[in-house]
Amino acid sequence: DSGVTQTPKHLITATGQRVTLRCSPRSGDLSVYWYQQSLDQGLQFLIQYYNGEERAKGNILERFSAQQFPDLHSELNLSSLELGDSALYFCASSPGLAGYNEQFFGPGTRLTVL
Amino acid sequence: GENVEQHPSTLSVQEGDSAVIKCTYSDSASNYFPWYKQELGKRPQLIIDIRSNVGEKKDQRIAVTLNKTAKHFSLHITETQPEDSAVYFCAAPPGYNDMRFGAGTRLTVKP
Repeated sequence: DSGVTQTPKHLITATGQRVTLRCSPRSGDLSVYWYQQSLDQGLQFLIQYYNGEERAKGNILERFSAQQFPDLHSELNLSSLELGDSALYFCASSPGLAGYNEQFFGPGTRLTVL
Repeated sequence: GENVEQHPSTLSVQEGDSAVIKCTYSDSASNYFPWYKQELGKRPQLIIDIRSNVGEKKDQRIAVTLNKTAKHFSLHITETQPEDSAVYFCAAPPGYNDMRFGAGTRLTVKP
């Protein structure tokens, strides 16, 4: 157990819908990263927050957005869902900046868009 | 400069043999090079990392070597065991915040 929690574990929804994925980082970690992992694919970096502020963006679509709250938990919002958005979404946390620190991954949320 | 290339994409070895996975990166600002292991259906976990002021680091059967001039680093696993079977990801963050992973190597260790 990494100490990072993600909810829900599984999510099944229809095209065009909107969903919210939630992540709680390890106690004391200020950085939260979001990743998308499609079937048999690598880890695509989406976005990073540090202490409530957005710090870096990766390959995140305009239909996706995220935020980090004062208690440091983070939410990833996916809207106008398409079949291709079906994937495993991981969040990870680190005490500082991932450029120099180990990341601790949550168990992931498996999103299925029908 | 954000690409991290990882080779091979798949690797099959006999139990007891060694396995080597290589990564190259393009951004000279990268100074931290972690390797993550992801077992089937599980989360990625850090297995070893190296910083740019070190050329090699070992942890039991696992080692990582770094050639900063050539911008490549490698993961070496000796005396492979079936439980080493997993997908391995390298990373070469180009800065404090950004994160870039290689495409992954699926290692299969045959008993």
